[in-house]
Amino acid sequence: GAGVSQSPSNKVTEKGKDVELRCDPISGHTALYWYRQSLGQGLEFLIYFQGNSAPDKSGLPSDRFSAERTGGSVSTLTIQRTQQEDSAVYLCATRQGAIDTQYFGPGTRLTVL
Amino acid sequence: SQQGEEDPQALSIQEGENATMNCSYKTSINNLQWYRQNSGRGLVHLILIRSNEREKHSGRLRVTLDTSKKSSSLLITASRAADTASYFCATVPITSGTYKYIFGTGTRLKVLA
Repeated sequence: GAGVSQSPSNKVTEKGKDVELRCDPISGHTALYWYRQSLGQGLEFLIYFQGNSAPDKSGLPSDRFSAERTGGSVSTLTIQRTQQEDSAVYLCATRQGAIDTQYFGPGTRLTVL
Repeated sequence: SQQGEEDPQALSIQEGENATMNCSYKTSINNLQWYRQNSGRGLVHLILIRSNEREKHSGRLRVTLDTSKKSSSLLITASRAADTASYFCATVPITSGTYKYIFGTGTRLKVLA
């Protein structure tokens, strides 16, 4: 596609439910990042993929968070047993090879009631 | 914790004035990038400056980098109401190889018409 897309754009869920967030990268972009941004804050790194492998998962806040990427393309971020503190905007960004510019999707705004 | 810290946190100016934002970081870097974010959604890449560069221009944007002080500044000249947004610096620490981006906390710029 022309840009990075994310779905859903908004998600409201009840505490304790599982949610799945999706990122569709720009075609051919091998590197993919997930970030979390709480209201009025900067970006918090969650995980980085190079192809289908995740050499750095250090930013995942707890074992309730997991992510996968298939076919070097689509990635899903799963949050199990959501908590209110998980409420944030989740941003996906991709990068082409060694070129340093990241291209961001519009984000998914997650609200946990 | 975030490596980059932007200063000021918020800035309000009149249309036509110049806006200057600063970013400080803690470790040696490969490059530093500035991004813009509208309405808490996806970020847009503005400009990248490498560690061996001291100044770079792009349209109304001017970026400087002082590696001895571990700081960078973003100058927007002749600001417009449409420049109202949050601006983030992002660094790529040398220790991370080339993949991990550390975002600052952002400067919220408001340009009054």
